[in-house]
Amino acid sequence: NAGVTQTPKFRILKIGQSMTLQCAQDMNHNYMYWYRQDPGMGLKLIYYSVGAGITDKGEVPNGYNVSRSTTEDFPLRLELAAPSQTSVYFCASRWVTDTEAFFGQGTRLTVV
Amino acid sequence: KQEVTQIPAALSVPEGENLVLNCSFTDSAIYNLQWFRQDPGKGLTSLLLIQSSQREQTSGRLNASLDKSSGRSTLYIAASQPGDSATYLCAVREAAGNKLTFGGGTRVLVKP
Repeated sequence: NAGVTQTPKFRILKIGQSMTLQCAQDMNHNYMYWYRQDPGMGLKLIYYSVGAGITDKGEVPNGYNVSRSTTEDFPLRLELAAPSQTSVYFCASRWVTDTEAFFGQGTRLTVV
Repeated sequence: KQEVTQIPAALSVPEGENLVLNCSFTDSAIYNLQWFRQDPGKGLTSLLLIQSSQREQTSGRLNASLDKSSGRSTLYIAASQPGDSATYLCAVREAAGNKLTFGGGTRVLVKP
């Protein structure tokens, strides 16, 4: 049981480059989330999805885009990378609203 | 807007002492509250999930209480061990909406 899988684990981007952070879950969860965690801080919600074809903005969506074409996958796209997007990105999923959330191992992104 | 606070931000105790970690939230209209553990450079591991109708949850040496009316949750870890050293985060799922809002975490060091 793989749970929530994020790829890549590490990435260095140059300013202005684009990339997609991948997130996949094999638990048939409806809800999926993307968070960022800055050093010494808690997690801030970027985008979330309550099911395939449905996405919504979180607290800090600017500079990011998401899609949810399948239940399993929830990729996060950075179009024009900026130094302010240097962070650790976590993907999470849950089955229904009153169940626990499971997290991936994170993607550490540095924009230089 | 829901705000979640964890005080203190860091805590150091000798091995064997009981740990008491605090989490407060501003809006008592929550669906549930979840405690997580995060080891350095790693993802989040779920420890306990308390539904809004529950007063406490227990798992081994861990006990979490919830007082919704006062906007507080406390995580107790009995007889702490050096392996308990980590950052502990709490997150609330609001009754209206599907978002998890995180506190900033408490970094715990258990000294042998």
